[in-house]
Amino acid sequence: EDKVVQSPLSLVVHEGDTVTLNCSYEVTNFRSLLWYKQEKKAPTFLFMLTSSGIEKKSGRLSSILDKKELFSILNITATQTGDSAVYLCAVERVNDMRFGAGTRLTVKP
Amino acid sequence: NAGVTQTPKFRILKIGQSMTLQCTQDMNHNYMYWYRQDPGMGLKLIYYSVGAGITDKGEVPNGYNVSRSTTEDFPLRLELAAPSQTSVYFCASTSKTGAHQPQHFGDGTRLSIL
Repeated sequence: EDKVVQSPLSLVVHEGDTVTLNCSYEVTNFRSLLWYKQEKKAPTFLFMLTSSGIEKKSGRLSSILDKKELFSILNITATQTGDSAVYLCAVERVNDMRFGAGTRLTVKP
Repeated sequence: NAGVTQTPKFRILKIGQSMTLQCTQDMNHNYMYWYRQDPGMGLKLIYYSVGAGITDKGEVPNGYNVSRSTTEDFPLRLELAAPSQTSVYFCASTSKTGAHQPQHFGDGTRLSIL
């Protein structure tokens, strides 16, 4: 059965810390892996990864995919309170997408 | 830019009632999706559509129906509401022609069944 597993499920850090969020997957018909940030409402898109070993960066956030070991990581450096959210990993298949349960990140001042 | 629009934002139903959650997108996307998100959980796919006139079941389709008569609209129908359907429902859309694109989400409908 297809599955997407995120770890940790919950994380509490202080401003300025660096965090690494993990996502492993076992999915048939893989097309891409996506990371979303969800605050109070709809998930907002962060990254789409299709190739192994190529890091994508946006400001303090970066992500990389390993298609051989079937996992991805999302790094956030110099965390801020505004980074507090649930971070969702999703694997896109040919026609649909499967989500992990999410990692709830809390950044304390 | 409207993007993906869902209505209503909130609704309370009694057990056994029926209702339709509306979703419309103005980006001419061919693919549309309905998800539900229970507290502390990720999104579970209910139904999806790859184009007008075509729908298919996702992971958790029981108790729901959909239709896709136009490219823009993808309503989700609950026929006999049950407490287990209390959840937040998200509609999303994307285009699968050309380059990879992420799914765009609506703001969600919070539904309570009492």
